Amino acid sequence: GQSLEQPSEVTAVEGAIVQINCTYQTSGFYGLSWYQQHDGGAPTFLSYNALDGLEETGRFSSFLSRSDSYGYLLLQELQMKDSASYFCAVVKAAGNKLTFGGGTRVLVKP
Amino acid sequence: DAGITQSPRYKITETGRQVTLMCHQTWSHSYMFWYRQDLGHGLRLIYYSAAADITDKGEVPDGYVVSRSKTENFPLTLESATRSQTSVYFCASSEAVRYTSGQYFGPGTRLTVT
Repeated sequence: GQSLEQPSEVTAVEGAIVQINCTYQTSGFYGLSWYQQHDGGAPTFLSYNALDGLEETGRFSSFLSRSDSYGYLLLQELQMKDSASYFCAVVKAAGNKLTFGGGTRVLVKP
Repeated sequence: DAGITQSPRYKITETGRQVTLMCHQTWSHSYMFWYRQDLGHGLRLIYYSAAADITDKGEVPDGYVVSRSKTENFPLTLESATRSQTSVYFCASSEAVRYTSGQYFGPGTRLTVT
């Protein structure tokens, strides 16, 4: 089988840094993606890691360790608009398919 | 406008009725996907398609049928709706083997089965 584990909820204040961890167990692993979803909205793509290491895109960074089956999304300089759910998703080589974790709800407080 | 659209956005139907959810994309992406998202949960893959006339099952295909006669359209049919199929349905598309740009999601269809 396959599974992804991520915390259900994180609360932080504006300007803070939040790290959302994701551990996975799967076969046919190709890479790890992260998606953001605001309440009532559609998921939007944030990042993709295929190799070990850190990928930085503005205030957001994503990390992958294939040997540890672990990744994280780092949100820096938090803003109110970052309040949303964040999903890690395993990319399966066959068929471009995604398997999503249950999501982490991030609440940013003033 | 270019993009991925879904219709209807909201649908209420009765148990046992057939329902078709539409998905249309203008990018000519090879891959298209259908997901369902239940309240407070992640997305689960129902069906996907690698190209026109090529479809395959995802994690939760039972009770659903798909077709893809044209690259840009990927309708999802619930043959005989059940209350457990009450959910938000998202269609997505992606370029062939372009993991770095991810999947593009439509706005979703909120389906209620009474």
